[in-house]
Amino acid sequence: AQKVTQAQTEISVVEKEDVTLDCVYETRDTTYYLFWYKQPPSGELVFLIRRNSFDEQNEISGRYSWNFQKSTSSFNFTITASQVVDSAVYFCALSDLNTDKLIFGTGTRLQVFP
Amino acid sequence: DGGITQSPKYLFRKEGQNVTLSCEQNLNHDAMYWYRQDPGQGLRLIYYSQIVNDFQKGDIAEGYSVSREKKESFPLTVTSAQKNPTAFYLCASNGGQGKTYQPQHFGDGTRLSIL
Repeated sequence: AQKVTQAQTEISVVEKEDVTLDCVYETRDTTYYLFWYKQPPSGELVFLIRRNSFDEQNEISGRYSWNFQKSTSSFNFTITASQVVDSAVYFCALSDLNTDKLIFGTGTRLQVFP
Repeated sequence: DGGITQSPKYLFRKEGQNVTLSCEQNLNHDAMYWYRQDPGQGLRLIYYSQIVNDFQKGDIAEGYSVSREKKESFPLTVTSAQKNPTAFYLCASNGGQGKTYQPQHFGDGTRLSIL
């Protein structure tokens, strides 16, 4: 069965600290896609990144970086020099190409204090 | 600007009442989805539709109903059979069948409470 685990329920850091959000997934598919979404206090989910199963290259976008490792079935998200505006709930998700569904983890609430 | 519009932002339901949540998109997307979010939990799929006039049950469809008469619209009705409807409801859309690789775009959500 497809599954996404975000073991960290809540993380609190002080501004400028680096923080890593963990995501572990389970799938028997050889082709799949992984996503990260940000949910700020306003409620909408904002798409951050997509990674396909054949591309293990790490990605960096400004202060954000993602580490995809198929060997450990992980797709971790690091925020460098965190800011108060990074405070949100972050969701990792896995595509189920057989059903056209997106499988979400339970989310990690990040609080960045000034 | 293209996007997804959910209304109302807040909704209150009386006992025994059906209520309908609106979701409209102008992204020309074939697929639309309804999710329920409870505090401290992830998103759970209620219903989804990959094409007009067709929809499928998600993981928690009991007590809910939907229709997809137009490509742009996918309203969700929370019926009186749903005994615990208090939650945050999110609507999303993307390209459609076979396009799960496309990111889903989300609306701002509707928060439903029981009076």
